Amino acid sequence: QSVLTQPPSASGTPGQRVTISCSGSRSNIGSNTVNWYQQLPGTAPKLLIYSNSQRPSGVPDRFSGSKSGTSASLAISGLQSEDEADYYCAGWDDSLNDPGVVFGGGTKLTVL
Amino acid sequence: QVQLVESGGGVVQPGRSLRLSCAASGFTFTSYVIHWVRQAPGKGLEWVAVIWYDGSNKYYADSVKGRFTISRDNSRNTLYLQMNTLRAEDTAVYYCTRERSSYYYGSGFDFWGQGTLVSVSS
Repeated sequence: QSVLTQPPSASGTPGQRVTISCSGSRSNIGSNTVNWYQQLPGTAPKLLIYSNSQRPSGVPDRFSGSKSGTSASLAISGLQSEDEADYYCAGWDDSLNDPGVVFGGGTKLTVL
Repeated sequence: QVQLVESGGGVVQPGRSLRLSCAASGFTFTSYVIHWVRQAPGKGLEWVAVIWYDGSNKYYADSVKGRFTISRDNSRNTLYLQMNTLRAEDTAVYYCTRERSSYYYGSGFDFWGQGTLVSVSS
């Protein structure tokens, strides 16, 4: 069971807007920034959003992120077929004797 | 360009050891915190370990603590993961990945290797 909680699946039709939630606790999302990754089948993950809402160069502005308290969300507007992928939230967790990174369980996005 | 290239994966029996390597190029290796992240077949991403840019701090997931050791050779621009007492549940693709910001952690992983598959089976 993952420390960060994401819905296992999400779906939308082309052009729609979809959101994916990520729930954590005070020691991770509540204290640190959230990053989002996109993983296409058979490939390494790609950084999609960092520092809660920042997009790396080359990531379309259709992707946006936000954070409030101990939850975060990823929004994809103008959904396209190539957005069909797995999406993961992640962040640093301060709660352990040894800190570390925690991931969400991942959300499989299907474009109908 | 930034490159991370993992090697050392393979098939190993339970209880045995394996050492993974990650060769880095295209950036100042000595300035970056580096992680190992793994993904079991058909499963999600799991963080494994992190090492500070100068090797001064190392942290591990509970699932590997006491069995795995992360290290780096900054003179060779190479990251390592020594995996001992391997279990079936360690079967996964292992990725090395770099923090986006130099000298910092929690900034996001901006570059990933292609991954190396470790299969633990008798």
